[in-house]
Amino acid sequence: SQQGEEDPQALSIQEGENATMNCSYKTSINNLQWYRQNSGRGLVHLILIRSNEREKHSGRLRVTLDTSKKSSSLLITASRAADTASYFCATLGAASGGSYIPTFGRGTSLIVHP
Amino acid sequence: KAGVTQTPRYLIKTRGQQVTLSCSPISGHRSVSWYQQTPGQGLQFLFEYFSETQRNKGNFPGRFSGRQFSNSRSEMNVSTLELGDSALYLCASSLERGARGFTSVKGSYNEQFFGPGTRLTVL
Repeated sequence: SQQGEEDPQALSIQEGENATMNCSYKTSINNLQWYRQNSGRGLVHLILIRSNEREKHSGRLRVTLDTSKKSSSLLITASRAADTASYFCATLGAASGGSYIPTFGRGTSLIVHP
Repeated sequence: KAGVTQTPRYLIKTRGQQVTLSCSPISGHRSVSWYQQTPGQGLQFLFEYFSETQRNKGNFPGRFSGRQFSNSRSEMNVSTLELGDSALYLCASSLERGARGFTSVKGSYNEQFFGPGTRLTVL
């Protein structure tokens, strides 16, 4: 099963608006990352937040982490048409053999209209 | 540095056939991980190879296998293809061997760099 679950599944906004995506996870984590994927292509790492951090900024990106609620949010401010992509949170999850594997949520599909 | 490359980019096979996909990691990276991405199941971890040995494995049947060569290049193989194997197969390379999720065995963040993927269609 998926470790991270993003919410909403899809988001449609106008250029200049802010976009907020949320992610929930199940296990204890060392860090949580957010990735972007342009249509049918590879993933690009956006930002990492460690378990002892509550908020992190990178350009127009702001990530928050609430370990007590096992949730994270990604805010993209002043969105642009080029931000149109799918966004995934990633952390760790348990494999059937008892090991821990990289685990991604199902993603939020963001469409930014010019 | 050149990024992660995957070949072929697109592939069409029929049920029952087998397929081999190739991944060349970023120069100096010794770990290669493979993922399957489908609309229904999302992005799922297949396995990780480091120093020519499989180090971690996701929840996939034995039809999915891989190997890594001494130059860190990796291949994955899917035998007896099923319709449900149609997916985007992504390869990611990283400097170190993974331990817990994206954490390296040294305890540091082990960033993964993804290739563009191979789109496999099974008819």
